[in-house]
This record gives sequence, C-alpha cells and structure tokens, in this order.
Amino acid sequence: ETGVTQSPTHLIKTRGQQVTLRCSSQSGHNTVSWYQQALGQGPQFIFQYYREEENGRGNFPPRFSGLQFPNYSSELNVNALELDDSALYLCASSPSTNIQYFGAGTRLSVL
Amino acid sequence: AQSVTQPDIHITVSEGASLELRCNYSYGATPYLFWYVQSPGQGLQLLLKYFSGDTLVQGIKGFEAEFKRSQSSFNLRKPSVHWSDAAEYFCAALVQGAQKLVFGQGTRLTINP
Repeated sequence: ETGVTQSPTHLIKTRGQQVTLRCSSQSGHNTVSWYQQALGQGPQFIFQYYREEENGRGNFPPRFSGLQFPNYSSELNVNALELDDSALYLCASSPSTNIQYFGAGTRLSVL
Repeated sequence: AQSVTQPDIHITVSEGASLELRCNYSYGATPYLFWYVQSPGQGLQLLLKYFSGDTLVQGIKGFEAEFKRSQSSFNLRKPSVHWSDAAEYFCAALVQGAQKLVFGQGTRLTINP
C-alpha cells in the first residue's frame, strides 16, 4: 500500500470527449508524476508537478494537461480523446524526485 | 538516446526454481536504477533501488539485484520463486536531477506449479 490513490478505477469515453483523472498523493509528498501505460508496454512519462508548477514534460501533445493543488493532489486532463489514448494512467508521488510511489491506476477506454 | 532494455519479454520458471530477469541501460552516466512489479490490473510496486555504493541490493519479497557498471546491467534475482511472484516486472532508470523514470518494456513472469 503506497498511500497514493487514483480515481476513478475505470472509465469509458468516446472519441472527441474530454476526461479528468484524479490522484491523491501520499502524505508529505510534494511531487506528482503522471505516466501512460499502453497495453503490453512500459509506462511512458507524461509530466511532473512540483509544488503546483509543471516540472518536466514528456513527448505528449498539449491536449494532455495537468494541475497540482495546494494539498499536492493532482489532476490529469485529456482533451479531444483519441482511440490511442486508451491506456492505464498511473500517478506517482514522491518526497523528492528520486523515488516514485505509484497508485493502482485508472484504466481509460476510448471507443 | 537514454534507454532501458529488458531482453526477455516472457519467462516461465517452475515454482521453487531460481530466477534472473535481465535489464540493461544506455546512459552517459550511471542513473538511479529501480525494479518495479505489477500484478494484473494493478499499479507498480517498488521492489528495490540502486543509487550508489554496494552493488548488490536487497529488496522486498526476497528479491535482490546486482549492478554491474562494466555491463551496464542491473539484473533482478530470486533464489526460489513462489506462485505469487507471477507478475510483470519492470526495470526503470532515473537520471540524477531529472524528472522522468524511463522504463523497459517489461518481462512477464509465469510460474509453473
């Protein structure tokens, strides 16, 4: 049990819709990272937030955006959903950037 | 480009047998190295990590890993596997001061009874 919780567990959307995924960090962790894991692949880094500011971004288009709140919880927003966005979305929190603790993920299906 | 390679996509071992999962990294300097395990439909659980120092690191669930700079490898081992070890295993690297973990493609472990 990492103390990182994600909601919802599963989500089904249609192409073109928008989605918001949520992550509650482990207490005391001020850094949150988001990853996309396609079926059969390793997770791919989307972006990281540190103290409410974006602190690094992977190779994802601008329709992937995020927020971090003063309590260090976080949201991942994806606009104009595409079929290829179907994946497991993982949130990880850390007290520093060196060790990341993952939540159970949100499974997004885009139809 | 910085990368992590897990050469074995799928490994099958018998319960009670020893296990070694391979991981190679390609970085200019030695990154921080991690092994995570993912059970079906679950998130990633940290097994162990290597930052510096002793090249043999111990983790949870009886796992250990050995860092070999000369081979750019960080292989995961367990002397005797249990049926509950069946899962997907990911090796990952993090450059000091960077934000993102870079993962290998994963190795799926199946345990035969």
